[in-house]
Amino acid sequence: QVQLVQSGAEVKKPGASVKVSCKASGYTFTSYYMNWVRQAPGQGLEWMGIINPSGGDTSYTQKFQGRVTITRDTSTSTVYMELSSLRYEDTAVYYCALGGWDYWGQGTLVTVSS
Amino acid sequence: QSALTQPPSASGSPGQSVTISCTGTSSDVGGYNSVSWYQQHPGKAPKLMIYEVSKRPSGVPDRFSGSKSDNTASLTVSGLQAEDEADYYCSSYAGSNKYVFGTGTKVTVL
Repeated sequence: QVQLVQSGAEVKKPGASVKVSCKASGYTFTSYYMNWVRQAPGQGLEWMGIINPSGGDTSYTQKFQGRVTITRDTSTSTVYMELSSLRYEDTAVYYCALGGWDYWGQGTLVTVSS
Repeated sequence: QSALTQPPSASGSPGQSVTISCTGTSSDVGGYNSVSWYQQHPGKAPKLMIYEVSKRPSGVPDRFSGSKSDNTASLTVSGLQAEDEADYYCSSYAGSNKYVFGTGTKVTVL
């Protein structure tokens, strides 16, 4: 069965970077795009970006352009989302979600705190 | 790329129907038949309920239905049940491999 397993919770200081992983299994990794979505405490869902695991091409929402980088490692079927220059308002749960939106990771809480 | 507009809340008694709207523009909702709806219970990951405007994934009850007219998509939950109480979000493809989510609607079963 399809599984997306994300890395554990992180606590970072303002200005630092965080890299969250999403390990996929149960399907052909290169056949489906992967999205990253975040949800701040008590807030709605926010789409961040997407990667084509086959070619590695990416697309990001303008809000995060320049601060977010999505990469993949086909040898381990893992997608990564790195967010730099962290601010307090980046505190959120970050999800990976398969291209058809039918499978989601369990979420990774990133807390930005001094 | 602005968020799609949803009403903050909706409610209904058990057995009744509730409809949630999702308003975008011709660049997203109106331009593509790629609107999805998600149900999210507290502390849980979102669950896909509707995709491609009106299609239901396997296992989603037929009480959930979707539609679209121009720049507005809608989700209707018929025969409301207690377990339908949750937050609901829409999303739409917005071209150039980009997506946008709605602002979210809290559904309360009275």
